[in-house]
Amino acid sequence: KQEVTQIPAALSVPEGENLVLNCSFTDSAIYNLQWFRQDPGKGLTSLLLIQSSQREQTSGRLNASLDKSSGRSTLYIAASQPGDSATYLCAAKAAGNKLTFGGGTRVLVKP
Amino acid sequence: KAGVTQTPRYLIKTRGQQVTLSCSPISGHRSVSWYQQTPGQGLQFLFEYFSETQRNKGNFPGRFSGRQFSNSRSEMNVSTLELGDSALYLCASSPTPGGDTGELFFGEGSRLTVL
Repeated sequence: KQEVTQIPAALSVPEGENLVLNCSFTDSAIYNLQWFRQDPGKGLTSLLLIQSSQREQTSGRLNASLDKSSGRSTLYIAASQPGDSATYLCAAKAAGNKLTFGGGTRVLVKP
Repeated sequence: KAGVTQTPRYLIKTRGQQVTLSCSPISGHRSVSWYQQTPGQGLQFLFEYFSETQRNKGNFPGRFSGRQFSNSRSEMNVSTLELGDSALYLCASSPTPGGDTGELFFGEGSRLTVL
């Protein structure tokens, strides 16, 4: 059974600092790993999708890496801004289009 | 291109009642998945439908059911509501069926409160 863990559960950084969010998963037999952002009371916004054959994916200030052998993914957000404050979730996709989510990391970027 | 649309956005029910939630996927997407989000359990997979067939099911009681129509729109139903069913119910659509490498796109969710 796949288990996905995100540590820390919350972090607070000053504006401009780089953010590093961690995600670990127990079963390396995944199709892909997806990072999402969730604002309070809202749905999920897809940030990055890394296929199992890829090592990293980049979009603007966001960069995500994937190491299947160690069961880890990391999301980097460069030069954080107050608008980056949200909960970030990672999800590992297995057969059957089923996503297993981590518990999320709640990020606060202080001006 | 319109995103995933979920209705209603908010609803309040009492214990013992039933509820039906609707999800319209992105045009052209044929896979629809449902997830429950609660503060205690986080996001949990309910079920996935593709071409009107349930392809995968999570670990939820039989009170939770769903269906998909020929136009790919999906509904989920919860019968005999319990207080613990209070949650944000999220729908996701994908252009590919289960097992593929497609990206999932989520709607804004339906927030259900059971009193």
